[in-house]
Amino acid sequence: TQLLEQSPQFLSIQEGENLTVYCNSSSVFSSLQWYRQEPGEGPVLLVTVVTGGEVKKLKRLTFQFGDARKDSSLHITAAQPGDTGLYLCAGFLSGGGADGLTFGKGTHLIIQP
Amino acid sequence: GAGVSQTPSNKVTEKGKYVELRCDPISGHTALYWYRQSLGQGPEFLIYFQGTGAADDSGLPNDRFFAVRPEGSVSTLKIQRTERGDSAVYLCASSALGGGSDTQYFGPGTRLTVL
Repeated sequence: TQLLEQSPQFLSIQEGENLTVYCNSSSVFSSLQWYRQEPGEGPVLLVTVVTGGEVKKLKRLTFQFGDARKDSSLHITAAQPGDTGLYLCAGFLSGGGADGLTFGKGTHLIIQP
Repeated sequence: GAGVSQTPSNKVTEKGKYVELRCDPISGHTALYWYRQSLGQGPEFLIYFQGTGAADDSGLPNDRFFAVRPEGSVSTLKIQRTERGDSAVYLCASSALGGGSDTQYFGPGTRLTVL
């Protein structure tokens, strides 16, 4: 059973379009993080959200943490080819659990010029 | 300064052999993590070190897997009697202090292929 479900698994859109990627769980997380991973490299942290309902913006990227701290979304406005990559959500379970991050399977995003 | 480095970048071995994978964390980082990423999956937590001690090894899949960090810096992940199912990218990450609010910095990984 996957603790963090990401959708869609694959997304291919044209440059300039908007998109939203989702990360859902039945478990409560003390924090959720979004990473981007390029082929042959390790994941790179984009943002951490901690408070239920929190919204963070990073240029054209908007991250939201659900009120119940069980889900998160990543919205990209006016996508560019440089946004292409694997987007992973990850978090620490609330109330105990492993000291390492729990990851979703990721969303493979391709932005076509 | 330098990021997290991992060696080798690629390792091909035969079923049943022993392998060692090395991680050099960012200098001064006390926390070190090992993850395993299989094809088409997100990284899966294996073990967490705080200094020299393994604070959480709950993610190690079985007793063929073992990791050490004898001086609190470099860590080695050791896999005995490798199996084809061990083929994956093994990622190492370090953070300054550890804990949920601390940023983990990942290395590029070691791609292990067991034939």
